[in-house]
Amino acid sequence: GENVEQHPSTLSVQEGDSAVIKCTYSDSASNYFPWYKQELGKRPQLIIDIRSNVGEKKDQRIAVTLNKTAKHFSLHITETQPEDSAVYFCAASNQAGTALIFGKGTTLSVSS
Amino acid sequence: DTAVSQTPKYLVTQMGNDKSIKCEQNLGHDTMYWYKQDSKKFLKIMFSYNNKELIINETVPNRFSPKSPDKAHLNLHINSLELGDSAVYFCASSQDEGGSPLHFGNGTRLTVT
Repeated sequence: GENVEQHPSTLSVQEGDSAVIKCTYSDSASNYFPWYKQELGKRPQLIIDIRSNVGEKKDQRIAVTLNKTAKHFSLHITETQPEDSAVYFCAASNQAGTALIFGKGTTLSVSS
Repeated sequence: DTAVSQTPKYLVTQMGNDKSIKCEQNLGHDTMYWYKQDSKKFLKIMFSYNNKELIINETVPNRFSPKSPDKAHLNLHINSLELGDSAVYFCASSQDEGGSPLHFGNGTRLTVT
């Protein structure tokens, strides 16, 4: 089945710096790649997503890139702020297209 | 109105007991899920239902039994609770299976003592 690897597991940056989180997936049939942000004690919430027919998508300070050939996708956060501190999860649709398989998460800490 | 609501928010119980978690979505979605988030924050899919039909059952002990009375509800019943069942259980829904955003409920923190 689908396997999603996410790196790094923890990331500490200074306010204003950029942060990059990378994920790889195993199933070449995967076609949907969302990113979720989970603040402490809260539910995961979608922040951006990309489909396999698109290479890059941007929404203000957040961007996602997808390399289908290499089977990896990345989240880029620019001009980080303390409120960006959270756990970020990448996910990929499974082979059957019936569910999302999540990476193990990245704890991002932004210090001011 | 909360799009995906699950109850209870907290559940503390002893080993061996049976408990249920309820979930309802008012988004009109066809697919609902249960995910388990362990102490290391790993989100693992347990079950997926599409229009009341079981689609995924991911190597979950048969002590866990989901029930979907209609496509807006997906409940989770757990028999003979064990210490290792302690986790946060998230219900979620999506428009389509696997190819559209998940909308999560607020989670149920289950503690088994």
